[in-house]
Amino acid sequence: GAVVSQHPSWVICKSGTSVKIECRSLDFQATTMFWYRQFPKQSLMLMATSNEGSKATYEQGVEKDKFLINHASLTLSTLTVTSAHPEDSSFYICSLPRLAGGPATYNEQFFGPGTRLTVL
Amino acid sequence: RKEVEQDPGPFNVPEGATVAFNCTYSNSASQSFFWYRQDCRKEPKLLMSVYSSGNEDGRFTAQLNRASQYISLLIRDSKLSDSATYLCVVITGRSYGNNRLAFGKGNQVVVIP
Repeated sequence: GAVVSQHPSWVICKSGTSVKIECRSLDFQATTMFWYRQFPKQSLMLMATSNEGSKATYEQGVEKDKFLINHASLTLSTLTVTSAHPEDSSFYICSLPRLAGGPATYNEQFFGPGTRLTVL
Repeated sequence: RKEVEQDPGPFNVPEGATVAFNCTYSNSASQSFFWYRQDCRKEPKLLMSVYSSGNEDGRFTAQLNRASQYISLLIRDSKLSDSATYLCVVITGRSYGNNRLAFGKGNQVVVIP
């Protein structure tokens, strides 16, 4: 079954509005969640690391005031795209790292199903 | 130089044939490596981890070459359902949640009947 859910799965909005995307862990508590953006035929680009109970860590070039992240509980992180513009249209995906065993410590990523945002 | 590089392709493969492709990474401190599969307009899903000794899962074989800093994926006896984009994911760091993820653009595989 699904480990991570995202809501909404797709959204169309007018330019200038704000859009909130939820990422929810269904199976386990996640102190850390990652947010990505993927443009067509491009790789996933890490936007920020969401930390439960503290400020998110943003990647270089990502505006923290435009992409607001709130990780209020161990199972929910939200990404709000404020004053969205057409260039913000993209596929937004979250993931949760899960510590796994094996020859070395590594983090398998469980990805959410993604949210397709279209800004008109 | 990009952190993770993949030849986007597409790799057109006749059904039943074998296809292989590489992913190079620039950070020699990278610790963990994965291949993910991403279908069109869907989220990536873990295909397999890549161990230093190499590993095999059915028709899929992954190899790691630390000296030359690349990982590879080989698909034998290709099926139509193997058509997808295969993403290389490289992680630097060991601490839970405190790692740097880098993705390649993906290798697009198209299996032809």
